[in-house]
Amino acid sequence: GDSVTQMEGPVTLSEEAFLTINCTYTATGYPSLFWYVQYPGEGLQLLLKATKADDKGSNKGFEATYRKETTSFHLEKGSVQVSDSAVYFCALGTGRGYQKVTFGTGTKLQVIP
Amino acid sequence: DVKVTQSSRYLVKRTGEKVFLECVQDMDHENMFWYRQDPGLGLRLIYFSYDVKMKEKGDIPEGYSVSREKKERFSLILESASTNQTSMYLCASSLEGSSSYEQYFGPGTRLTVT
Repeated sequence: GDSVTQMEGPVTLSEEAFLTINCTYTATGYPSLFWYVQYPGEGLQLLLKATKADDKGSNKGFEATYRKETTSFHLEKGSVQVSDSAVYFCALGTGRGYQKVTFGTGTKLQVIP
Repeated sequence: DVKVTQSSRYLVKRTGEKVFLECVQDMDHENMFWYRQDPGLGLRLIYFSYDVKMKEKGDIPEGYSVSREKKERFSLILESASTNQTSMYLCASSLEGSSSYEQYFGPGTRLTVT
C-alpha cells in the first residue's frame, strides 16, 4: 500500500540556518504530494503541494520538488526563523479510496535564536 | 477560506462514558475525515465519509463509530471511552473530484479519558 517515510526529529537549528527535511514515498500510480505544518496547539495547515513529477511547490520561503525517479519530496528553506518552529508532515494523495491522504509521522522542528 | 470547526478544544471524560466529537465545515465539501494523532505515530485515519449517510472504515476504526446526517457535519462517537483513546482528534474535509486531494483541517480536540 501507499506509505510515506520522513526523517525523525526533533530537528534543532539556529535562526537563519538552512533546513532540509527528507521525505520519500511509496505509491502506485501518480500521487499528489504535500507538506503540512502544525503549529503548537493547532490543526494542520497545507504548506505546499505538487501534483506531478518535476513540479516545485513553494510557500513562505519553503520549497519542495516532486522527484519521481527518487520517489522523494524533500522540504527545504534557506533561512529558518523562530516562527518556523512546528511539526512538519509529508503526505501523499491518490485517486483510490475517495481521496484518502497518507501522512508521514511528522518531524518536529525547533529553531533557536 | 475553508473553515473547519470542532466542538471542543479540550475534553476530559471518564472511562466508560459515551463521547461525541463534532465537526462542521462550511465549504460544501463532500469528503470528511476523522484522524487521531499520537506522538511517533503521526495521523491515523479512523473513519471517513464521502457523502451524507455514507461512511467507510479507515485504518483504526475499532472502538469508534461515526454519523453524517448533514453534509456539513461529521460526528465521531466513542461508544464506551477507554484510556487508550486519550489522544488528539483531528477532523478534515476535502472536495470530491479535486485533482489535488488537498484536505482542510480543524484545530483539533484533545481528549483525555481518565
